Amino acid sequence: SQTIHQWPATLVQPVGSPLSLECTVEGTSNPNLYWYRQAAGRGLQLLFYSVGIGQISSEVPQNLSASRPQDRQFILSSKKLLLSDSGFYLCAWSVGLGTGRSAQHFGDGTRLSIL
Amino acid sequence: AQSVTQLDSHVSVSEGTPVLLRCNYSSSYSPSLFWYVQHPNKGLQLLLKYTSAATLVKGINGFEAEFKKSETSFHLTKPSAHMSDAAEYFCVVSASYSSASKIIFGSGTRLSIRP
Repeated sequence: SQTIHQWPATLVQPVGSPLSLECTVEGTSNPNLYWYRQAAGRGLQLLFYSVGIGQISSEVPQNLSASRPQDRQFILSSKKLLLSDSGFYLCAWSVGLGTGRSAQHFGDGTRLSIL
Repeated sequence: AQSVTQLDSHVSVSEGTPVLLRCNYSSSYSPSLFWYVQHPNKGLQLLLKYTSAATLVKGINGFEAEFKKSETSFHLTKPSAHMSDAAEYFCVVSASYSSASKIIFGSGTRLSIRP
């Protein structure tokens, strides 16, 4: 069966520090991969998605970036965190043609607090 | 253009009574519609999805939703609420076969269950 792993589960970082969040998927090949951010008490904001290795689509201009160095690995990064980067970050995967119509499967998220 | 509106930010029901979570959508194309559930500090879990097959969709944990094109609605129901149903619920619309950027999440409905 397919599983998705995100780590760390919680992270406290000072303003201006770098960030690296990792997500890996097991049990499937060539998944579509997504990074979302969820602000407190709000819905999800799509940050990045990827349909293959090295292919990244960015949805929101900001100081975050994403990379997909391997088929089932998706990394969210920042060189310098801002206070506004605080939130709950969720990684998700789907399979099949059409990233817009496939059901997505989510990891348990990383709660990021910026001090 | 497309959008999704969850009509109630908070719904409270007694255990054993029916649940109704309302969702209206707007889409220029034939949409795919999803309901997800999120328990505290967890990722989202797919409850059910509609992708132009049967209009009454059955999901996990006794939930179901009915696609009503004339009313542009996709309300989520359950005949009898259980304490474990307390969570945040998200209605999602997608009208693009190929682009994840066209996936729109509702702002969520928090479901509380009274003993």
